[in-house]
Amino acid sequence: GAVVSQHPSWVICKSGTSVKIECRSLDFQATTMFWYRQFPKQSLMLMATSNEGSKATYEQGVEKDKFLINHASLTLSTLTVTSAHPEDSSFYICSASRRTGETEAFFGQGTRLTVV
Amino acid sequence: AQSVTQLGSHVSVSEGALVLLRCNYSSSVPPYLFWYVQYPNQGLQLLLKYTTGATLVKGINGFEAEFKKSETSFHLTKPSAHMSDAAEYFCALVGDSSYKLIFGSGTRLLVRP
Repeated sequence: GAVVSQHPSWVICKSGTSVKIECRSLDFQATTMFWYRQFPKQSLMLMATSNEGSKATYEQGVEKDKFLINHASLTLSTLTVTSAHPEDSSFYICSASRRTGETEAFFGQGTRLTVV
Repeated sequence: AQSVTQLGSHVSVSEGALVLLRCNYSSSVPPYLFWYVQYPNQGLQLLLKYTTGATLVKGINGFEAEFKKSETSFHLTKPSAHMSDAAEYFCALVGDSSYKLIFGSGTRLLVRP
């Protein structure tokens, strides 16, 4: 149980286009989902926290207009990288919690975004 | 402020040798502590976690960690390394009501034949 699936696993897009990444909880309802960014050989940087039905809370320094997060249902959150540029190339990972206040988060397999 | 420090960005051991990955934390409230493993181009898998109770925590794949409050540490150990243990390991904590995970910088474990 507690499986989180991310799609796509990798994507290549042209500079200036937008890319949508999906994060789904397959066998549970996720009240909270988290989006992380990971640069090569570095740790995970939390970008934002999203709760179903409400606006995402972004971490300091993360452009909310650049990284659009939607958590429309209890099983799906999406991250859209708008007007992507090469510097947005990175590994993006989502995680989900089954309920508010749960300490354990379940991670997706990540999405490698390359902007050319 | 809460933080996690992992000493050693790379640790290299021989197959069959003891694995010790170090993690120290700083938190003003009792933390929940986690160890995650990440294989290349994959997400994170939970190895073990400490919330309350017994300070020696056993996880998957033969790993265990001990919460030592006096030393603010949560080191990860495994008695005998396997080649399949080669991966990146992250220590993390949750220490306040936001339930956000705060990650250490990671330690890459290399296992020599």
